[in-house]
Amino acid sequence: GNSVTQMEGPVTLSEEAFLTINCTYTATGYPSLFWYVQYPGEGLQLLLKATKADDKGSNKGFEATYRKETTSFHLEKGSVQVSDSAVYFCALSKYRNRDDKIIFGKGTRLHILP
Amino acid sequence: GAVVSQHPSWVICKSGTSVKIECRSLDFQATTMFWYRQFPKQSLMLMATSNEGSKATYEQGVEKDKFLINHASLTLSTLTVTSAHPEDSSFYICSARDDRAIYEQYFGPGTRLTVT
Repeated sequence: GNSVTQMEGPVTLSEEAFLTINCTYTATGYPSLFWYVQYPGEGLQLLLKATKADDKGSNKGFEATYRKETTSFHLEKGSVQVSDSAVYFCALSKYRNRDDKIIFGKGTRLHILP
Repeated sequence: GAVVSQHPSWVICKSGTSVKIECRSLDFQATTMFWYRQFPKQSLMLMATSNEGSKATYEQGVEKDKFLINHASLTLSTLTVTSAHPEDSSFYICSARDDRAIYEQYFGPGTRLTVT
């Protein structure tokens, strides 16, 4: 079946450090891939997405490239800020019909130290 | 942008009582909505898929008589936790799929339920 595996946290970095959160997926065909962010006490917000191979999603300085050959969608940011502290979820969906579910990874908690 | 609201944002209730949580799509219609449950420091667990005008589809292991879902309009789905117990305490999050673009799914801010 379809699944998403992402690196376990917590990840602790200093401000302005480079961030990578690894995400790999298992799915047949061509799923759409997502990164969601959850700030403390809040719901999920879509951070970025990619719908086909080699697409690069980007938002707020974060980037992720859909790599079909390695079935990966790693999240990167060149210089993190304290305000980036949150939980990040990698996810996929096939979107073949209205009921198709989003499948989430377990989430990676990120702590940025000032 | 598309907004999904949840009400209440937090609720405390006594064991044995029922609690209703509302999920609304504010500026789009959503034939399909989803209900998730999130335990502390864990991922989201899909509880059920809610379709307007029809019965919800529950995930394996989720008690349909315990978690009643009603999707009576294209902008409102409700989750009722019946005869709540302390183990039902959790963070409940809904999401709504935009009818104009099924690729777009928007999440509500969540409802924290505490059962005493």
